Amino acid sequence: EPEVTQTPSHQVTQMGQEVILRCVPISNHLYFYWYRQILGQKVEFLVSFYNNEISEKSEIFDDQFSVERPDGSNFTLKIRSTKLEDSAMYFCASSATEAKQETQYFGPGTRLLVL
Amino acid sequence: QQQVKQSPQSLIVQKGGISIINCAYENTAFDYFPWYQQFPGKGPALLIAIRPDVSEKKEGRFTISFNKSAKQFSLHIMDSQPGDSATYFCAAYASGGGNKLTFGTGTQLKVEL
Repeated sequence: EPEVTQTPSHQVTQMGQEVILRCVPISNHLYFYWYRQILGQKVEFLVSFYNNEISEKSEIFDDQFSVERPDGSNFTLKIRSTKLEDSAMYFCASSATEAKQETQYFGPGTRLLVL
Repeated sequence: QQQVKQSPQSLIVQKGGISIINCAYENTAFDYFPWYQQFPGKGPALLIAIRPDVSEKKEGRFTISFNKSAKQFSLHIMDSQPGDSATYFCAAYASGGGNKLTFGTGTQLKVEL
C-alpha cells in the first residue's frame, strides 16, 4: 500500500538554526499538508499546498515557515530560525483531491527538538 | 468556535468491553467528521468518518453516532481488543474552510487483558 514517508525521523537543532523537514507524498496525490503536534497536545493544521502554491495557512504558519515542492516527488517544510516553541512532531499528509471526503494520508512524522 | 472538544483524555477498558469516546463542536460550518487512530511512532490514520446527515455509521467493530442538534458525535469500539490500544482523534472539516482538518485533543485508549 502506498504511504507518505518523512525524513528525518528525528532532528535536534539549536535555537536560531534553519531546519528543513522532508516528505514524499503518495505519488498520484495532488494536495499536500503539514500539521504539527506539540507533545501531549492536539494535532494542529499548519498549511495546505496545491499546484505549487499555498492554498491555506494557519496563524501558526508565520514568516519563519515556508513550503516548497522542489521536484516531482518531495514536499518540504522549512523553518528559517527555529524557536524553542517549534519543538513538536511535524506530520506531512497528502490527498488525491481537495474533497472533504477524500482521505488525508499522514506520514510517520519528524520529531523536532529545538535546544 | 473552531475547536473540537474531545473526552475523555484517557480510557482503560477490559478486553471485550465497549470503548466510548465523545466529541463536541460549535462551528456549524463543520460538515464532515473523520476519526483518526494513531499508534506510537506512527502518523494518524483514518479509521471511520461520517456526514452530519447520517445519525450512525458502522464499520466492523467501530461505530460513529452523530447528534446534529447537540453538535456531538462519538466513537464506539465494540468488543475492544488489546490491538485497539492507541490514541484516537476526532476531527472535522468545515465547508469553505479549505481542506484542513481540525482535530480534537485525543484520547489514549488502553485495552487490558
